[in-house]
Amino acid sequence: DIQMTQSPSTLSASVGDRVIITCRASQTLSSWLAWYQQKPGKAPKLLIYKASNLESGVPSRFSGSGSGTEFTLTISSLQPDDFATYYCQQYTTYRIFTFGPGTKVDIK
Amino acid sequence: EVQLVESGGGLVQPGGSLRLSCAASGFTFSSSWMSWVRQAPGKGLEWVANIKQDGSEKYYVDSVKGRFTISRDNAENSLYLQMSSLRAEDTALYYCVRYSTCFGDWGQGILVTVSS
Repeated sequence: DIQMTQSPSTLSASVGDRVIITCRASQTLSSWLAWYQQKPGKAPKLLIYKASNLESGVPSRFSGSGSGTEFTLTISSLQPDDFATYYCQQYTTYRIFTFGPGTKVDIK
Repeated sequence: EVQLVESGGGLVQPGGSLRLSCAASGFTFSSSWMSWVRQAPGKGLEWVANIKQDGSEKYYVDSVKGRFTISRDNAENSLYLQMSSLRAEDTALYYCVRYSTCFGDWGQGILVTVSS
């Protein structure tokens, strides 16, 4: 099975900061990697799919990059609404999906 | 507008059973892979099960194989998760999820608590 890791597990940042979250997979994913944002008490929200494709309605300050086993989610200028937990997810097939452990972005 | 509404959660004793339902609307249900994803209190997301559009393929995370069964009724636009031999570690918020670009649409979640 494919294992996913994320770093850091927690990130303290200020409004306006550039934020980078890394996700690594134990096997190559090609580009089958998604990113989600989850706020307390809410369902996750899809931000990025296929490593770098922005989901409709998601602000352009969010971007994704990478392929193979290493991926990044970048928030170019952190906004107050962006304080949340972020998860990566591999979806190489319909058979098994795996989420990363999450990265909590909180206020510095 | 896509809507996914879960029901059927609650408190159940260890070893017991529970059936979750998800009522779908706002999209062509019979054309979508559907999934269940869970989140234990204060923990991360865990994919639980998947079902193909016609129900002919089903996949499960190892920890629920043999205990949980995913099914669907395309005539009723409904997704189900039959859970048996429940354990304390199955306690979680269970989300019904539609696979579009990826897990693009989520329900609000339904809480399952396994405790004596």
